[in-house]
Amino acid sequence: KAGVTQTPRYLIKTRGQQVTLSCSPISGHRSVSWYQQTPGQGLQFLFEYFSETQRNKGNFPGRFSGRQFSNSRSEMNVSTLELGDSALYLCASSRAGISTDTQYFGPGTRLTVL
Amino acid sequence: DQQVKQNSPSLSVQEGRISILNCDYTNSMFDYFLWYKKYPAEGPTFLISISSIKDKNEDGRFTVFLNKSAKHLSLHIVPSQPGDSAVYFCAAIIQGAQKLVFGQGTRLTINP
Repeated sequence: KAGVTQTPRYLIKTRGQQVTLSCSPISGHRSVSWYQQTPGQGLQFLFEYFSETQRNKGNFPGRFSGRQFSNSRSEMNVSTLELGDSALYLCASSRAGISTDTQYFGPGTRLTVL
Repeated sequence: DQQVKQNSPSLSVQEGRISILNCDYTNSMFDYFLWYKKYPAEGPTFLISISSIKDKNEDGRFTVFLNKSAKHLSLHIVPSQPGDSAVYFCAAIIQGAQKLVFGQGTRLTINP
């Protein structure tokens, strides 16, 4: 069974631009969650979607947004990029959600903001 | 506000010995705890978990201990093997909240 895929794997943007990252969950998984990994903060929860509905979100500014499509694929968008947004962005999928199932992570998208 | 803390950024252990990774939490509402392992250029993979109603859970070479009164959990790896070299993340859940709170991670290096 194919794992979680994330595209693109690497991305370089400049300050002020916006970026969209994509996550395709494992087939049959309806929950997708997103995380930001930075050296000092570890992994920080961004948001979780299930059946196109956001069920929870972390403490990130409104510049970070996401959505989920009817096929469970998810995108996250960061507008007005700042240098501090440089990070590895990971998504994870599961059948029913974080509270009930093991999370399977993708390899991540490495975003560099110059 | 770091609710889950891993105070040791790195740990070096000799092959065959025990590795002990520690994690502290501040939120008493957490009722389920997990450990993930991450290799470079890969996403984290689930290793082992423990419910707050238990104080120990074992899976092969991996054992997780939970001390609720101290708000502390630890992961023991016995015996340590070179393939265990990775970054280990502790994480916690409040059941029903659909949110996973991670620690900062500990880089474990197993020396031959």
